[in-house]
Amino acid sequence: DVKVTQSSRYLVKRTGEKVFLECVQDMDHENMFWYRQDPGLGLRLIYFSYDVKMKEKGDIPEGYSVSREKKERFSLILESASTNQTSMYLCASRPPGGLINTEAFFGQGTRLTVV
Amino acid sequence: QQQVKQSPQSLIVQKGGIPIINCAYENTAFDYFPWYQQFPGKGPALLIAIRPDVSEKKEGRFTISFNKSAKQFSLHIMDSQPGDSATYFCAADNSGAGSYQLTFGKGTKLSVIP
Repeated sequence: DVKVTQSSRYLVKRTGEKVFLECVQDMDHENMFWYRQDPGLGLRLIYFSYDVKMKEKGDIPEGYSVSREKKERFSLILESASTNQTSMYLCASRPPGGLINTEAFFGQGTRLTVV
Repeated sequence: QQQVKQSPQSLIVQKGGIPIINCAYENTAFDYFPWYQQFPGKGPALLIAIRPDVSEKKEGRFTISFNKSAKQFSLHIMDSQPGDSATYFCAADNSGAGSYQLTFGKGTKLSVIP
């Protein structure tokens, strides 16, 4: 059973804290993604990575950074958490393009509250 | 710029009804159109997907209709059940070798009432 695992289901952090969200996949996928999900706004891409140590900005990268030191692990970092970063964060992984099956697999999400 | 427009934002149907969710895209290079289903407290999961060489694909009670000339595709749920209550996302991609990310619609929250 394929899996994308996010380290926390719920997190509460204080304004200004540095926050780490961890994601691990066991499918040997090259591509990994971080999205945030807010009501009425759908899934917005923050960052993605197509290989170890490679990263690309998505649609809303401001206030975030990422790290991918190993193929299976992709971390999202909030450098200085703010209340407007309160959201549901979803990690996903996906095989490379050019294949027949390019399904994206999502983790269960981390609901982050910044107070 | 939103490349995949999804409507409606929310939908309420009675059990047994046929909810229809519509999506329109702009990028003619897109050639892979999946739908994802998300239950509360869970991540989205692939429900059904279509490629533009066919106009319809059916899996169980779920059907995708695809209109390449209009650049539109839709999800139909036959004989809807309360257990189908979820948020549905359409998406699109150019599935070539350089592809990385899916472009998602904003989602439709479906409620099926008994």
